[in-house]
Amino acid sequence: KNQVEQSPQSLIILEGKNCTLQCNYTVSPFSNLRWYKQDTGRGPVSLTIMTFSENTKSNGRYTATLDADTKQSSLHITASQLSDSASYICVVSAIGGGADGLTFGKGTHLIIQP
Amino acid sequence: EPEVTQTPSHQVTQMGQEVILRCVPISNHLYFYWYRQILGQKVEFLVSFYNNEISEKSEIFDDQFSVERPDGSNFTLKIRSTKLEDSAMYFCASSEDPPADTQYFGPGTRLTVL
Repeated sequence: KNQVEQSPQSLIILEGKNCTLQCNYTVSPFSNLRWYKQDTGRGPVSLTIMTFSENTKSNGRYTATLDADTKQSSLHITASQLSDSASYICVVSAIGGGADGLTFGKGTHLIIQP
Repeated sequence: EPEVTQTPSHQVTQMGQEVILRCVPISNHLYFYWYRQILGQKVEFLVSFYNNEISEKSEIFDDQFSVERPDGSNFTLKIRSTKLEDSAMYFCASSEDPPADTQYFGPGTRLTVL
C-alpha cells in the first residue's frame, strides 16, 4: 500500500533559525513529490514539485531535496519567519495513478516563536 | 493572481439534511477535485472531474455524494443526507493539466454536522 510518512509530527523553533522537515514514502511507481504549506483553516498552497530526475528545488527560503533511491525527501526552511508557522504536507504521486494516486502525508506542524 | 474560491466558508447543518458546497475553479483549468480533511487528520481525495464527468473517485465518495458543474464557472459537491462523520473541511482544487500538474486549492468550507 502506498504510504507517506512525515517527521517530526510537530516542531517549535525560534524566529530566524533554520529547520528541516522529513518525508519518507513507499509510493510506486513514483511520478513526483510535492510539498504544500497549509495555514490553519486554509487550503494547501504548493511550494515545490519534484520529479524523479530532480535532486533539489528551491522556492525562496524553502529548499526541497529528493533522493529517489532511498525514497526520502526533505524541506529545508532558512531564516524562519513568524509567517512560516503552518502545517507542511508532503504529497507523492504515482505514475498513472491519477488524482486517486496522490498519497498525502499527515503533515508536520511547524510553530515559529518570536 | 487567479485563485480558487469556495462558498460558504462555514456551513452548519443538522444530520440528515442535504448540503451543497460551491467552488469556482481557476478559469482556464480543466480538471477539478474535491478533498476533505477531518480535524487533525490528513487530506483525503474524494473525486476528480474532467470534461463534465467524474474521472476518478475514492471509496469515501459513495452514493451520498455527487458533483456537478452546473454552468461554466461553478463546481459543486452535494451531500445528500449528512452524517455526523461528514463533519470536516472540504477543499476544492483545480489544475490546468492532469493530476500530475500542480493543483491549486481553495480556502475550504468547514462543514459541521450536528
